[in-house]
Amino acid sequence: DGGITQSPKYLFRKEGQNVTLSCEQNLNHDAMYWYRQDPGQGLRLIYYSQIVNDFQKGDIAEGYSVSREKKESFPLTVTSAQKNPTAFYLCASSGRYDEQYFGPGTRLTVT
Amino acid sequence: AQSVAQPEDQVNVAEGNPLTVKCTYSVSGNPYLFWYVQYPNRGLQFLLKYITGDNLVKGSYGFEAEFNKSQTSFHLKKPSALVSDSALYFCAVRAPNSGGYQIVTFGTGTKLQVIP
Repeated sequence: DGGITQSPKYLFRKEGQNVTLSCEQNLNHDAMYWYRQDPGQGLRLIYYSQIVNDFQKGDIAEGYSVSREKKESFPLTVTSAQKNPTAFYLCASSGRYDEQYFGPGTRLTVT
Repeated sequence: AQSVAQPEDQVNVAEGNPLTVKCTYSVSGNPYLFWYVQYPNRGLQFLLKYITGDNLVKGSYGFEAEFNKSQTSFHLKKPSALVSDSALYFCAVRAPNSGGYQIVTFGTGTKLQVIP
């Protein structure tokens, strides 16, 4: 899983609560990404950031928010507006022309 | 828009036999192509990539992939499968860089089952 850490590995929340997933990298990568993985659907891009203090919506940004205050950190908040938040969340980072390096993932369960 | 197709949800192969996991892509211009592997409840691990040059790319764990521009394919191959190769495999494509970061599009994944 390279130099990317995600915490916690498992997270349980009640419906209606916001929850923040942590992602930290020590690879000195400019770009960072958040994906959601559901069975049989591959990876879907939630948000990405190419530089500190800037980020862009991906394909399924509704109900999520991010911040990029430091190069090393890209936390994802799953808000109560996300209608189906239970999923496996993956964070990744990359250099400009390189492959992406992924963290170990956080499995979020909302009941 | 770029896209990736992995036409097989699952591939079964006997241990010791050659394996192929198929991938086709659609993108404007010359593509950047990637293969990743995912073990249960883990993040994705990079296997190999094609940017330019030799159409046969060698990667980690004895895997290789062949870029075929005319067929817009990038199939993953291994001469002799191991039980430990059983995992979920993702193909991904990225359009040529145009000054900024380009977004990678992932396929839906192919589950490889190597049978002892």
